[in-house]
Amino acid sequence: GEDVEQSLFLSVREGDSSVINCTYTDSSSTYLYWYKQEPGAGLQLLTYIFSNMDMKQDQRLTVLLNKKDKHLSLRIADTQTGDSAIYFCAEDYSSASKIIFGSGTRLSIRP
Amino acid sequence: DSGVTQTPKHLITATGQRVTLRCSPRSGDLSVYWYQQSLDQGLQFLIQYYNGEERAKGNILERFSAQQFPDLHSELNLSSLELGDSALYFCASSPGDRAHEQFFGPGTRLTVL
Repeated sequence: GEDVEQSLFLSVREGDSSVINCTYTDSSSTYLYWYKQEPGAGLQLLTYIFSNMDMKQDQRLTVLLNKKDKHLSLRIADTQTGDSAIYFCAEDYSSASKIIFGSGTRLSIRP
Repeated sequence: DSGVTQTPKHLITATGQRVTLRCSPRSGDLSVYWYQQSLDQGLQFLIQYYNGEERAKGNILERFSAQQFPDLHSELNLSSLELGDSALYFCASSPGDRAHEQFFGPGTRLTVL
């Protein structure tokens, strides 16, 4: 079935790295996405990875994909207060042409 | 500002009513996506249109329908509204038919009383 799972909360100290994890079910997914939603704001597509890649780096963001385990992670280096948000993982459920979202991980930053 | 506009920002209506939400994509984008975000259901993909044609369908109820017009703006029609339809409805657009270059509008908050 279709399922994308994430832990609900993550708390990190400012300046540390944050790692948000996600597991998905559709092994034929073409793209996997990370979205960010700041408090009271809309959604932002943060980054994505194509399914034939293992890793993608974009400034402070690193996405790791383990296709064998169907595990996706988002690492934010040098976490700042502006990174406080809910992060959604999503898979492109290609067999059904739709996008499935996880429940979101709320990242909070401690001083 | 993402360049995607949605109207109205807020909508309050009663159960059983019908409403229309409007989305204008970024200039040049051919795809429009609709999403629903509620406390109960989380974030759900509803439907995608690409250049006027339905491209992908998610968990969209039969009471809901959408279309994309020749000028590429899109409307989401919600009918026979129920309390559980209260949610934030986001529209997004992308140049092509995949979501990896997606930009979101600010959302329409629908409250059904």
